[in-house]
Amino acid sequence: RKEVEQDPGPFNVPEGATVAFNCTYSNSASQSFFWYRQDCRKEPKLLMSVYSSGNEDGRFTAQLNRASQYISLLIRDSKLSDSATYLCVQAWGGADGLTFGKGTHLIIQP
Amino acid sequence: EADIYQTPRYLVIGTGKKITLECSQTMGHDKMYWYQQDPGMELHLIHYSYGVNSTEKGDLSSESTVSRIRTEHFPLTLESARPSHTSQYLCASSYSGQVLTFGAGSRLTVL
Repeated sequence: RKEVEQDPGPFNVPEGATVAFNCTYSNSASQSFFWYRQDCRKEPKLLMSVYSSGNEDGRFTAQLNRASQYISLLIRDSKLSDSATYLCVQAWGGADGLTFGKGTHLIIQP
Repeated sequence: EADIYQTPRYLVIGTGKKITLECSQTMGHDKMYWYQQDPGMELHLIHYSYGVNSTEKGDLSSESTVSRIRTEHFPLTLESARPSHTSQYLCASSYSGQVLTFGAGSRLTVL
């Protein structure tokens, strides 16, 4: 069974802090991983892809650890606008080959 | 900015009514999807399509049906709405089958 596990939170973090959360997966054949962001009562939007070598986009860093089967998202200098639910997505090809995690709820506090 | 459109955005309807949720995309994507999401809960895939005249059921059993007569259009129909169908329905499309672009969603309430 394809499983993607995330800590649902909520993570309450003060503004300006660094926060990181992980997502574990069970299907070792997975080729691609992604982080999506979903604001309250809105649709999910792609935040970033996760590459084997890791990738960085401004304050956001995503990493993949294939040996331990998890991906991570690090947010530096967190902003109030970073408050959202972050969804981990695992893909292995095919139109239905996507598994969404249940999401990690992040609340940045002033 | 949106290239994938869903209508209606909000619908309140009585039990037993037939409803169709519309989804259209202008990106020429072959792959399209319908997800169901209750507030604060995870996404559940209910239907997907590889292309014109292709439709498949997703992981979550649903009483809804879909059709794909045109590449850009992927409507979802409930023949007889029930209160248990109350939820948010999100349409998405993809070129690769990996990165999805979602519509803004249709929030359905069945009384």
